[in-house]
Amino acid sequence: EVQLVESGGGLVQPGRSMKLSCAASGFTFSNYGMAWVRQAPTKGLEWVATISYDGSSTYYRDSVKGRFTISRDNAKSTLYLQMNSLRSEDTATYYCTRAPYWYFDFWGPGTMVTVSS
Amino acid sequence: DIQMTQSPASLSASLEEIVTITCQASQDIGNWLAWYQQKPGKSPQLLIYGATSLADGVPSRFSGSRSGTQYSLKISRLQVEDPGIYYCLQGYSAPWTFGGGTKLELK
Repeated sequence: EVQLVESGGGLVQPGRSMKLSCAASGFTFSNYGMAWVRQAPTKGLEWVATISYDGSSTYYRDSVKGRFTISRDNAKSTLYLQMNSLRSEDTATYYCTRAPYWYFDFWGPGTMVTVSS
Repeated sequence: DIQMTQSPASLSASLEEIVTITCQASQDIGNWLAWYQQKPGKSPQLLIYGATSLADGVPSRFSGSRSGTQYSLKISRLQVEDPGIYYCLQGYSAPWTFGGGTKLELK
């Protein structure tokens, strides 16, 4: 059974940093692209970043480019999202997703990130 | 960026009724379209990918279709477990973009 479990969310002040992790199990992690998708409170879904199966390629939405870094450790079956210079508009539930191709087929339960002073 | 215009924003339907939700892409995206269902407090679940392919474990009452740049999700006979918010996703080009969502309720 595919399982994705996010961790690392919480309350953070504007301008500070936070690192999210996603522990994957139930599939061969190193064979799949992975992505982060976020959802602001009561809002819709917003793609954040994608990383290829081997980490050689990464893609970001413009609003996080230069501030967020997606990475992975295939030996640990873990996906990461390093978030720097956080803004209030980054407040959202962050979902870790498996991306076998261009779509996202499995999602974790999400971790809430609140950026506020 | 490719815009995905989803309609209606909300709808109410009765059990066993046929329900159709549409997404209009701002440009040609081929079959790079997926549909998701999100229930309150839960993460989204993949229903359809490639515009028409049913994801594993999804009931056959869900189906997807395409006409040019308009995409449709059809629920053939609405069931009690189907209410939620439905989103389309285009994966033709980055940034991947979702539709605004359709909130489906039982009448």
